[in-house]
Amino acid sequence: SQQGEEDPQALSIQEGENATMNCSYKTSINNLQWYRQNSGRGLVHLILIRSNEREKHSGRLRVTLDTSKKSSSLLITASRAADTASYFCATDFRNNAGNMLTFGGGTRLMVKP
Amino acid sequence: NAGVTQTPKFQVLKTGQSMTLQCAQDMNHEYMSWYRQDPGMGLRLIHYSVGAGITDQGEVPNGYNVSRSTTEDFPLRLLSAAPSQTSVYFCASSFDYSFFEQYFGPGTRLTVT
Repeated sequence: SQQGEEDPQALSIQEGENATMNCSYKTSINNLQWYRQNSGRGLVHLILIRSNEREKHSGRLRVTLDTSKKSSSLLITASRAADTASYFCATDFRNNAGNMLTFGGGTRLMVKP
Repeated sequence: NAGVTQTPKFQVLKTGQSMTLQCAQDMNHEYMSWYRQDPGMGLRLIHYSVGAGITDQGEVPNGYNVSRSTTEDFPLRLLSAAPSQTSVYFCASSFDYSFFEQYFGPGTRLTVT
């Protein structure tokens, strides 16, 4: 099963509103990353937050991490139509096979002009 | 830098055929990985490599082989294509699986009939 799961699966908002997406994971992590995917394209890295950080900002993006609850949130402020995309969280994961980065199912964000 | 390149962009195979998806990066990254993405879903890790000569299985390795003879190249081989392997395949690379962002290729859209 996947390490990370995003919530909600889909989100539709008006331009100018804020968008909040959540990610929950199962095992302890070193870092958590957020990625964006435009339709038909590869994923693009947005932000990385380390396990000893609680909050991080990058432009209109704000990411929080709560390791006690094994959850993270991505906030996009003052959304624009160009923010329409799918957003994925990714966590490092260790099992008997080794170390790997695993992705959640994503949140599909639609920002209406 | 070209970043991460993948070929081909599109491919149609008949059941039972074999083929190799190519992936190359010019950033001297040690960590490379292959994911598949099915409609409306997140990415699932197929195989990954932490350096030349070293490969490991991910979440869904069955039906796929990989090799890593050089730092730059990480081909994914489908041994005997099945309709269940219809998907979009992404290759990614980074300095490390956890502490650095992943760079993704543009993807290969594979259809198995």
